[in-house]
Amino acid sequence: NAGVTQTPKFQVLKTGQSMTLQCAQDMNHNSMYWYRQDPGMGLRLIYYSASEGTTDKGEVPNGYNVSRLNKREFSLRLESAAPSQTSVYFCASSVPGTSYEQYFGPGTRLTVT
Amino acid sequence: GIQVEQSPPDLILQEGANSTLRCNFSDSVNNLQWFHQNPWGQLINLFYIPSGTKQNGRLSATTVATERYSLLYISSSQTTDSGVYFCAAYQGGKLIFGQGTELSVKP
Repeated sequence: NAGVTQTPKFQVLKTGQSMTLQCAQDMNHNSMYWYRQDPGMGLRLIYYSASEGTTDKGEVPNGYNVSRLNKREFSLRLESAAPSQTSVYFCASSVPGTSYEQYFGPGTRLTVT
Repeated sequence: GIQVEQSPPDLILQEGANSTLRCNFSDSVNNLQWFHQNPWGQLINLFYIPSGTKQNGRLSATTVATERYSLLYISSSQTTDSGVYFCAAYQGGKLIFGQGTELSVKP
């Protein structure tokens, strides 16, 4: 199993450009999550999807949209990138049932100039 | 919402030393996880430990849910243990991270 995969690994955008970060998991997990990590800080939840067809806002959703394409894939879109969105973005998925244990992808390092 | 606090924020050890990292959380939780973020940024699951004690090699963790804290023990530390250790508490559908403890193990 590949686990949780993310593309791209690195991206540089100009202010105002748009892009979509892709995430896929092959562990048959129901729930998926997007986080951002800023320097010297822990991860903060942007959006999550408890199951296919549902999405909910996390702690820092402004400036982002998400799509749960199917059970495997959960994408994060920046419609008009801003320098404040420079960060490392992590996708995660969690074990079905009640254990809630989350597994993380390798991250996407995004710079907005 | 729930607050997760970790201590110490930074720790420098000589190789072979032992250490204890602490995580306090402000409310009851369904789940608590410990992660190691290595110098390349990868997040590695260490423990899923909502209560009790678990051991994995040189690492062990204990969560006392009734007193709202968790401890991560690292014994006989190695340079490869360097990085940032995060605890994260799950409540209401969300995993809330602490600020992390940055560990540096010197040879």
